[in-house]
Amino acid sequence: KAGVTQTPRYLIKTRGQQVTLSCSPISGHRSVSWYQQTPGQGLQFLFEYFSETQRNKGNFPGRFSGRQFSNSRSEMNVSTLELGDSALYLCASSSRVRHEDAQETQYFGPGTRLLVL
Amino acid sequence: AQKITQTQPGMFVQEKEAVTLDCTYDTSDPSYGLFWYKQPSSGEMIFLIYQGSYDQQNATEGRYSLNFQKARKSANLVISASQLGDSAMYFCAMREGSAWSKAAGNKLTFGGGTRVLVKP
Repeated sequence: KAGVTQTPRYLIKTRGQQVTLSCSPISGHRSVSWYQQTPGQGLQFLFEYFSETQRNKGNFPGRFSGRQFSNSRSEMNVSTLELGDSALYLCASSSRVRHEDAQETQYFGPGTRLLVL
Repeated sequence: AQKITQTQPGMFVQEKEAVTLDCTYDTSDPSYGLFWYKQPSSGEMIFLIYQGSYDQQNATEGRYSLNFQKARKSANLVISASQLGDSAMYFCAMREGSAWSKAAGNKLTFGGGTRVLVKP
């Protein structure tokens, strides 16, 4: 099976612009989560989508949004970029459906490195 | 309050020796899962090992084992026979949520990480 893929891998934007990142989960996985990783704040949960519905959301401003398509592919969008949005954005997918499926883990993609100038 | 604490920001280990990475956690949820991930300089998070809160035995996966002490709320990772390729950041993470009706889902809360450098 192919792993989680993320595009683009690298991105340079300027303040005020918007950006869209894409994530394709492992085939058959319906849950997609997004994380932001920065040197100062570490790894922080952004949101999770399951079957096209946002199931959980982290503590980020409304400039950060996402969506999931019927094929489970997900996109996240950041509007009005700020310097502090420079980070590695990681996407993870999981096949976990029932809470009893405790051992089902999340598999991460290679990430998108975003630099905001 | 920090939910996941990794007190060792960095450590050196000699090749072929064992190393223990500390992780303590805080949760009031009786059902939770603990994960360890490895992050090489490339950035991708690689799953290493999982321990469920109700598991009676410590988890093992090849050279990785988890020393789970539930009463102390610790889940230390032990890497045996270190290899040069083990040099990376290591993250401990927790997934909470005992009922599907909760919004916890698959959200992971991560610790700050421990950087391991294996010396030849």
